[in-house]
Amino acid sequence: SYELTQPHSVSVSPGQTASITCSGDKLGDRYACWYQQKPGQSPVLVIYENTKRPSGIPERFSGSISGNTATLTISGTRTMDEADYFCQAGDSSAVVFGGGTKLTVL
Amino acid sequence: QVQLQESGPGLVKPPGTLSLTCTVSGYSIRNGYWWGWVRRPPGKGLEWIGSIYNSGRTYYNPSLKSRVTILLDTSKNQISLRLRSVTAADTAVYFCARDVLQQMGVNNWFDPWGQGTLVTVSS
Repeated sequence: SYELTQPHSVSVSPGQTASITCSGDKLGDRYACWYQQKPGQSPVLVIYENTKRPSGIPERFSGSISGNTATLTISGTRTMDEADYFCQAGDSSAVVFGGGTKLTVL
Repeated sequence: QVQLQESGPGLVKPPGTLSLTCTVSGYSIRNGYWWGWVRRPPGKGLEWIGSIYNSGRTYYNPSLKSRVTILLDTSKNQISLRLRSVTAADTAVYFCARDVLQQMGVNNWFDPWGQGTLVTVSS
């Protein structure tokens, strides 16, 4: 079955840039999206179609893709950005999520 | 503004059937879009369960397909989930979400999401 690999955790200081990667076989042939989920809340879409940002999502969130690795970048990270982040892509006739990355801002 | 709300029993005994309903407001599901179910077990990541189109066409997670049924009730603007033969491994927070499917297996995303409902499987 298809897998998307994310680092288990990433730490960043406030005001710095956080980068979270998502890699998968032939990921470059499809589109990735990203979700933010805070404890006790539902996931929120922060990036879709690799690089697009939904309305209402701060400009400090950006997405990119290089080869088979998608990257979510948070510039000028704020303490409120501390959360779990999940990438997601499609495979055949299915949907796959990455394992998730816990972003710690300290 | 589309809003989704999950509802259903919070406790299910094994090996029974988990049944949940998602009520959509602010949009008529008969007008289009796919609608999906996603779950998050305690301490684990997100897992897609399956999605349904307004025509009734479905696609399911292959690992759950033998136990899952997703249906639409357009008269009530609801999407339902049934998961049979549950075990403790099915304990999770279950979310419904709009599946913005552009091309199956290539491009889709979920937005917006319901608040989720915790279902515990225990005897």
